[in-house]
Amino acid sequence: ETGVTQTPRHLVMGMTNKKSLKCEQHLGHNAMYWYKQSAKKPLELMFVYNFKEQTENNSVPSRFSPECPNSSHLFLHLHTLQPEDSALYLCASSQDVGVNYGYTFGSGTRLTVV
Amino acid sequence: EDQVTQSPEALRLQEGESSSLNCSYTVSGLRGLFWYRQDPGKGPEFLFTLYSAGEEKEKERLKATLTKKESFLHITAPKPEDSATYLCAAGKLGNQFYFGTGTSLTVIP
Repeated sequence: ETGVTQTPRHLVMGMTNKKSLKCEQHLGHNAMYWYKQSAKKPLELMFVYNFKEQTENNSVPSRFSPECPNSSHLFLHLHTLQPEDSALYLCASSQDVGVNYGYTFGSGTRLTVV
Repeated sequence: EDQVTQSPEALRLQEGESSSLNCSYTVSGLRGLFWYRQDPGKGPEFLFTLYSAGEEKEKERLKATLTKKESFLHITAPKPEDSATYLCAAGKLGNQFYFGTGTSLTVIP
């Protein structure tokens, strides 16, 4: 399979649950990202990984915990979320970190916190 | 303050009715202006990157242009399959991207 694959596509979780989002890319890209997309808002960058090392954490609450075991896989671990965390979570990859490269996005995980 | 503003928020066109989407940016040290297309239930799909004022890029019925303050996505004779949300993003030094909120385009047969 090519491109960026995210699982699950949909997730409903209670505020006390713990769940994980998974992202996998088969493009040979070195950089991977987590973005949050909420209605009527610009995409919000959450985390950046370059060669599996975290390079940015945009003041994201600790209830979101990323993990990047290798350059092809990225996880977002979720715990004790709030209803306002309901959104579409997008994973993306690019050849390298830098604004010269366009992103390849996955289809996202639609998260609903109840 | 660095930001990107897209207009209109929503646009309905008849099939074949050409129009333009606007992306205004106030980003110091622009290094690239990106356009993406996003279909419902999917992630954004990369369309174009523009690097300098005066640059133009085309893909099928789409043409993107760039000035020092804004970018336009021109859609010529659109078809229903062009219906989607179009996002623009401005990139600057330090790997910082500023996304707009998108224009939702509906093309009516």
